[in-house]
Amino acid sequence: SQKIEQNSEALNIQEGKTATLTCNYTNYSPAYLQWYRQDPGRGPVFLLLIRENEKEKRKERLKVTFDTTLKQSLFHITASQPADSATYLCALDEDYQLIWGAGTKLIIKP
Amino acid sequence: NAGVTQTPKFQVLKTGQSMTLQCAQDMNHNSMYWYRQDPGMGLRLIYYSASEGTTDKGEVPNGYNVSRLNKREFSLRLESAAPSQTSVYFCASRTGTVNTGELFFGEGSRLTVL
Repeated sequence: SQKIEQNSEALNIQEGKTATLTCNYTNYSPAYLQWYRQDPGRGPVFLLLIRENEKEKRKERLKVTFDTTLKQSLFHITASQPADSATYLCALDEDYQLIWGAGTKLIIKP
Repeated sequence: NAGVTQTPKFQVLKTGQSMTLQCAQDMNHNSMYWYRQDPGMGLRLIYYSASEGTTDKGEVPNGYNVSRLNKREFSLRLESAAPSQTSVYFCASRTGTVNTGELFFGEGSRLTVL
């Protein structure tokens, strides 16, 4: 079955720089892939969805790419701010459900 | 418009006790889901309901039962709680009946089984 790998180590980024998070999957390319943000003690919140025929999707300071050859999605936050500090989850579809990565904790330092 | 509401937010049980987690959504969504989240692991699907009147097992259904009471409400029951069920439980919903589109999550229910 499909597995998702996200960097388990926290990512520390200086405020104002671009943060890049990675999501790798192991098997077939999904029809679409989603990214969520999760703050401590809260439920995940949807950020972006990218389909397999889309190479890139943008929303304000967020950008997601989808490379089916590398079996990888990258999530970028430009001009990062301390308020962007959170855990970011990626998820992809498999049959009737979403398969989730464990998430990467992002820390933006002032 | 509250979105997805879960109760209780916190619960401590003794091994063998039973309890029900309640979930309600006010977005007129067709599909509802119960996930558990454990440290270092991704969200894992316990049960889901693609539409009112239907429920199906997810990845980790053992030890749980669900009821889709109506279009708004989807409850999760632990009949005989075990320490392995200590986790954070999330209810989620989406508008479609098929697996597309964003999920809307509740704030979570933190369960400890002693």
